[in-house]
Amino acid sequence: NAGVTQTPKFQVLKTGQSMTLQCAQDMNHNSMYWYRQDPGMGLRLIYYSASEGTTDKGEVPNGYNVSRLNKREFSLRLESAAPSQTSVYFCAIRTGNQPQHFGDGTRLSIL
Amino acid sequence: GENVEQHPSTLSVQEGDSAVIKCTYSDSASNYFPWYKQELGKRPQLIIDIRSNVGEKKDQRIAVTLNKTAKHFSLHITETQPEDSAVYFCAAPQHSGYALNFGKGTSLLVTP
Repeated sequence: NAGVTQTPKFQVLKTGQSMTLQCAQDMNHNSMYWYRQDPGMGLRLIYYSASEGTTDKGEVPNGYNVSRLNKREFSLRLESAAPSQTSVYFCAIRTGNQPQHFGDGTRLSIL
Repeated sequence: GENVEQHPSTLSVQEGDSAVIKCTYSDSASNYFPWYKQELGKRPQLIIDIRSNVGEKKDQRIAVTLNKTAKHFSLHITETQPEDSAVYFCAAPQHSGYALNFGKGTSLLVTP
């Protein structure tokens, strides 16, 4: 899926370590999103950026920070990782009322 | 906040049967309702969507119906095949209009 690129694909961290998940798009979409997916919980919104220069909290923002570096890139940072943040993280993009497209995900384990 | 309730959480059907997944939403201003399919270990992918100005939309074996009065929408899969086995998510816009609220998913298993 060349439209949305997430790096890394897998990562293992120790409790207390910091990490930045990267998301880049080549589809020129205005809005970008970070979701986490846990078994039985569906997709929960962490943060989103409606347009370059803006960010807003979603349903589960605690423990995370984001940066909309430019129109292409939207990063998610864990300052001090906790085991509860073990999850699969998906970045998504969208413009207006059009469908939302997802990246392939980052599988993050925190020990 | 806005909620999207999805039922059932698991569904098992025999190949060739139909499958129906239902979702309800709370924000009466919602006007766009996508459905995503997620295969094991893969990203969610859009399979069909419907906007509030129509009541039904079909794409081959997949159809979605919308009842705005009752605030619910459904995914219908006919003549199911084993490759339809996956987790399906419904979604509806948040009040801001920028983000989507997702249901918790339905795990569909189609047995030969």
